[in-house]
Amino acid sequence: GENVEQHPSTLSVQEGDSAVIKCTYSDSASNYFPWYKQELGKGPQLIIDIRSNVGEKKDQRIAVTLNKTAKHFSLHITETQPEDSAVYFCAAPTYGGSQGNLIFGKGTKLSVKP
Amino acid sequence: EAGVAQSPRYKIIEKRQSVAFWCNPISGHATLYWYQQILGQGPKLLIQFQNNGVVDDSQLPKDRFSAERLKGVDSTLKIQPAKLEDSAVYLCASSPIFSGELFFGEGSRLTVL
Repeated sequence: GENVEQHPSTLSVQEGDSAVIKCTYSDSASNYFPWYKQELGKGPQLIIDIRSNVGEKKDQRIAVTLNKTAKHFSLHITETQPEDSAVYFCAAPTYGGSQGNLIFGKGTKLSVKP
Repeated sequence: EAGVAQSPRYKIIEKRQSVAFWCNPISGHATLYWYQQILGQGPKLLIQFQNNGVVDDSQLPKDRFSAERLKGVDSTLKIQPAKLEDSAVYLCASSPIFSGELFFGEGSRLTVL
């Protein structure tokens, strides 16, 4: 089965700076990599995902990059705002492929200081 | 569109007692998941249903945990008897068939004393 490692566990940035969170995975058969944001007291919510046929995907201030050779993918948040403060999780399909249940990283707590 | 509904939001019990959590997924979503999230960790899958059949329950501690999804809609997760290490948030999620995106509820926070 898949294994996902996520770094760093905590990240503190000044408002307006960029934030980068990195994940590695083990199963070369995985081809779907989502990122979830979890605010305090709420369930995780999908913010962006990438499939293995592309190397980068952007959505306004957030972007995800994927390096299949190195088996790692990263979340980039530019021009951070206080409302970006939350816990971010990367994930990958537990049994490879692009569907089915997900295995999550341990999370990164992002704090954006005004 | 209504989201995934879970209840109760909070539950405090003593060890060896039993507890049940309920989940109502988004209408039309064939797949339903129960995840356990221990404080400071990522969600961990307990069980996955597709319609009313179990797809994956390999990480469900079957000596104390049980789950069902009658009629392929609502689901209940039961713990009996509870242990201290079961203290966690129990998250229900649903997804359309053949979709990778999971829609999570707000979770049920369990404290076992």
